[in-house]
Amino acid sequence: DADVTQTPRNRITKTGKRIMLECSQTKGHDRMYWYRQDPGLGLQLIYYSFDVKDINKGEISDGYSVSRQAQAKFSLSLESAIPNQTALYFCATSESGRGQETQYFGPGTRLLVL
Amino acid sequence: RKEVEQDPGPFNVPEGATVAFNCTYSNSASQSFFWYRQDCRKEPKLLMSVYSSGNEDGRFTAQLNRASQYISLLIRDSKLSDSATYLCVVTPMFSGGYNKLIFGAGTRLAVHP
Repeated sequence: DADVTQTPRNRITKTGKRIMLECSQTKGHDRMYWYRQDPGLGLQLIYYSFDVKDINKGEISDGYSVSRQAQAKFSLSLESAIPNQTALYFCATSESGRGQETQYFGPGTRLLVL
Repeated sequence: RKEVEQDPGPFNVPEGATVAFNCTYSNSASQSFFWYRQDCRKEPKLLMSVYSSGNEDGRFTAQLNRASQYISLLIRDSKLSDSATYLCVVTPMFSGGYNKLIFGAGTRLAVHP
């Protein structure tokens, strides 16, 4: 079984709809992240969390919110989806206190906003 | 100017060829450097860290040039399975207890028979 899972893997929604992307991990890591990837651009950090209920904004948090109610789960919400939020979304985890932290990515969620 | 810049490619090479990618970064205080590999429509995976003294892992060699602010990845004896996008990743100066990753947009490699 994969250590970092994301649901759904693909989603098509309409402008104005609220949607939630879920991320779960079995690695026991304390840190979790949400990124988006657009063609021709590097991954951009949306939000990150160091522990349960700890929430920090990344580079592009506008239009997004997150929730970390359990160590293993980190959800990303688009309150009112818009077409320029069409992208590939990745969740990642890492473990603190290990010097250079390696981030482990989930398989991604492909989101299309019409 | 982007914080991390890479040639998007694609680099089209035959099997067995040696290919090299460079990546430049703008923040001279950057601390850590990595190469990640991303297959089409898949998640990025760590390929190797890049140390000041350079490091080698099988057919892959990574080097860091702090004076010129670039890192490189050399792949020898290319395999078809090396076809992927290679992401250059840099960590700026440590702050706030978090080693933030700055990703380049990637260099695409296509190895053909």
